[in-house]
Amino acid sequence: AIRITQSPSSLSASTGDRVTITCRASQGISSYLAWYQQKPGKAPKLLIYAASTLQSGVPSRFSGSGSGTDFTLTISCLQSEDFATYYCQQYYSYPLTFGGGTKVEIK
Amino acid sequence: QVQLVQSGAEVKKPGASVKVSCKASGYTFTSYGISWVRQAPGQGLEWMGWISAYNGNTNYAQKLQGRVTMTTDTSTSTAYMELRSLRSDDTAVYYCARPSSRGGNYFDYWGQGTLVTVSS
Repeated sequence: AIRITQSPSSLSASTGDRVTITCRASQGISSYLAWYQQKPGKAPKLLIYAASTLQSGVPSRFSGSGSGTDFTLTISCLQSEDFATYYCQQYYSYPLTFGGGTKVEIK
Repeated sequence: QVQLVQSGAEVKKPGASVKVSCKASGYTFTSYGISWVRQAPGQGLEWMGWISAYNGNTNYAQKLQGRVTMTTDTSTSTAYMELRSLRSDDTAVYYCARPSSRGGNYFDYWGQGTLVTVSS
């Protein structure tokens, strides 16, 4: 199984900050990576697929980059509604696997 | 609009079985598979497996092989996930999710989640 290591596991930031979250795959997955946002008590919400393609309706302050084994999610100007937990997921091969999550908290 | 509506919360004793349903609407059910993803309290997301609503083919996570069965009922556009021999560490919110229409195995539609509590 492809292992996804996500970092950091948590971070504290202020509104307006630029935030970067990384995922590293244990083997090359091309661009078969998605990012999700999850708020407490809710299902995950798709933000980005194919490593860098923004899902329809997602604000442009979210962006993704990377290919192969190293990937990044960037929130360019953190808003209050962005405080949540973020997960990456590889869909290069079965079993599908997720990163461990990054909780973005208010500083 | 696409909707996945799951059955309600369950409380089960260790060793019992649970069957969670996921009723789909707003799209052609047999054109997509359904994956099941679970999340233990305070933990991350774990993919459990996938079923094709077209032909019933399945692909289960190895750690759940032998305990999980995924099925579909195309007459009601409903997917089911049954987990047997429940243990306390199966306590989790269980989600069904539909893969994207763009062909990738990432999920743009999710059910609301079903909390399964395993406790004696």
